[in-house]
Amino acid sequence: NAGVTQTPKFQVLKTGQSMTLQCAQDMNHEYMSWYRQDPGMGLRLIHYSVGAGITDQGEVPNGYNVSRSTTEDFPLRLLSAAPSQTSVYFCASSSRTGSGNTIYFGEGSWLTVV
Amino acid sequence: KQEVTQIPAALSVPEGENLVLNCSFTDSAIYNLQWFRQDPGKGLTSLLLIQSSQREQTSGRLNASLDKSSGRSTLYIAASQPGDSATYLCAVNNYGQNFVFGPGTRLSVLP
Repeated sequence: NAGVTQTPKFQVLKTGQSMTLQCAQDMNHEYMSWYRQDPGMGLRLIHYSVGAGITDQGEVPNGYNVSRSTTEDFPLRLLSAAPSQTSVYFCASSSRTGSGNTIYFGEGSWLTVV
Repeated sequence: KQEVTQIPAALSVPEGENLVLNCSFTDSAIYNLQWFRQDPGKGLTSLLLIQSSQREQTSGRLNASLDKSSGRSTLYIAASQPGDSATYLCAVNNYGQNFVFGPGTRLSVLP
């Protein structure tokens, strides 16, 4: 019953450092996405993928990179961390079969950039 | 560009009260709308999904309505309980599987 698993849950980075947030799902979902959540702003889409080998930018992609080499995994890379990237990051997945399927979220990764 | 707002930002009610949370969106050409619950330090849990062709969806004490033409959705919670305390977010989907989220309503149900 793993669903969507994100690691790490907490991370502190220094400005300029790089890191990767991991996301894995075991539901064979085609669609995966990364959001960031900031106070008073709701969730904003960073990048998404509709299947292995296919990625696209969301609303706030700058400073982030993604790849999708397998159906299960969708890592998010911070290339050179900045204090503005301090946020809570959520990975989500859903099936593309049928219409309007439920989206499943991971429990979040709290990132602080100092 | 789709924008989603939620009113009120926070709400505190005594246990047992019925309550309504509001969600508004600017582009009525939506694919579907979804309500989520978020507990502190946790991810989002889907509560109800309403397709664009539907007017409402019900699950237990929850009822969500959708009025596309006016760009509004409401989440009705009957007989509220302290366990309902959480942040409730609505999100609209204009295409594909990408959702635009509102900022949420923080609900406190007092025993």
